[in-house]
Amino acid sequence: DAKTTQPNSMESNEEEPVHLPCNHSTISGTDYIHWYRQLPSQGPEYVIHGLTSNVNNRMASLAIAEDRKSSTLILHRATLRDAAVYYCILRASGAGSYQLTFGKGTKLSVIP
Amino acid sequence: DVKVTQSSRYLVKRTGEKVFLECVQDMDHENMFWYRQDPGLGLRLIYFSYDVKMKEKGDIPEGYSVSREKKERFSLILESASTNQTSMYLCASSLRGQGWNEQFFGPGTRLTVL
Repeated sequence: DAKTTQPNSMESNEEEPVHLPCNHSTISGTDYIHWYRQLPSQGPEYVIHGLTSNVNNRMASLAIAEDRKSSTLILHRATLRDAAVYYCILRASGAGSYQLTFGKGTKLSVIP
Repeated sequence: DVKVTQSSRYLVKRTGEKVFLECVQDMDHENMFWYRQDPGLGLRLIYFSYDVKMKEKGDIPEGYSVSREKKERFSLILESASTNQTSMYLCASSLRGQGWNEQFFGPGTRLTVL
């Protein structure tokens, strides 16, 4: 499985944008990039995913480099509720490719 | 609201006991997963199932078995619990399909084996 590299931790001030980086230099052409987050004492929850183009949803934006070797999750205005561990995950497409391989993630702290 | 429920939030068992962790989803999802989560190691996949009575080993299946007799229910079994199986266990489910499969997670069961 292709691997991802993320910083162990990041800090952000409340109401400021946050850019969470992820490197995936061995990504294959058909791997999807998924982001999940895990709030304290909860199971992970889906944030966003993409393949080649940048993506936006109500929670976040995903910016994917042109060579797809890196991506950035953007939280436009961090709130205290966004304090969580954020996981960047590559998932192969195709039949039978159901698995997500979680790394250690980035622990985001939001400062009031 | 989509829902994945797990039978217990906290469980304490003794070494050598047989332990059943139950997971139920109400979304008619084909795929179900069991992970364990340990500090510093992230989430690791134990087993998954893509259909009733079907199962596939994940990254760390040793010491575990699973059962999927009904579509909505996926059970994780520790035949003889050991202290190194003390962990947070997370169940998830997703729809079958191409492209991407959002996984929905349950709240987790924190298992302590004494």
